Amino acid sequence: QSVLTQPPSVSGAPGQRVTISCTGSSSNIGAGFDVHWYQRLPGTAPKLLIYANTNRPSGVPDRFSGSKSGASASLAITGLQAEDEADYYCQSYDSSLSMIFGGGTKLTVL
Amino acid sequence: QVQLLQSGAEVKKPGTSVKVSCKASGYIFTNYGISWVRQAPGQGLEWMGGISAYNGNTKYAQKVQGRVIMTTDTSTTTAYMELRSLRSDDTAIYFCAREARRVGVYCDYWGQGTLVSVSS
Repeated sequence: QSVLTQPPSVSGAPGQRVTISCTGSSSNIGAGFDVHWYQRLPGTAPKLLIYANTNRPSGVPDRFSGSKSGASASLAITGLQAEDEADYYCQSYDSSLSMIFGGGTKLTVL
Repeated sequence: QVQLLQSGAEVKKPGTSVKVSCKASGYIFTNYGISWVRQAPGQGLEWMGGISAYNGNTKYAQKVQGRVIMTTDTSTTTAYMELRSLRSDDTAIYFCAREARRVGVYCDYWGQGTLVSVSS
């Protein structure tokens, strides 16, 4: 069981908007630690998509956005494209000074 | 540009050890830590631990504590992860990643991954 809870799968048609939730607790996200998001395309290494809750690294399209509230966070993808089909992971930190991940969400573009 | 280049795939027998290397380039090695993350078949990402390239301080995940040793060689800007007493459930792709800090730690650059297969 992952410390951070994500839905196992989400789906959407091209052009639509999807969101992926990430729920933690008072010892991690709720304690004020930042949330980060990674995209893992098949056969490739994870890629940083959003850092520190809302920030996009250079080169990440503005179709991807992040938010955080309380002990939860969300990743939103607008204008869904076929190339967005991938696994998405949230990550935070906990009070034991350990990096923690969500279980991952598989995004299917219909 | 920042690059992390990992060593090649390994096939190991249960009870033995594996040592994976991660050669860093494109940044000042001692200014950042290195985390090791693995993904077993059909599973999610699992943090194994991290090491400061500045002073060698380590923090290991409870699940692998006692079996894992992380080190760095600043002369060659290379990080190493050794996992001992291998079991079949250690079969996974192992990634090294550069640590960045905000409120907590995250990974901004990743190696390409090293497949470690454990089988008798």
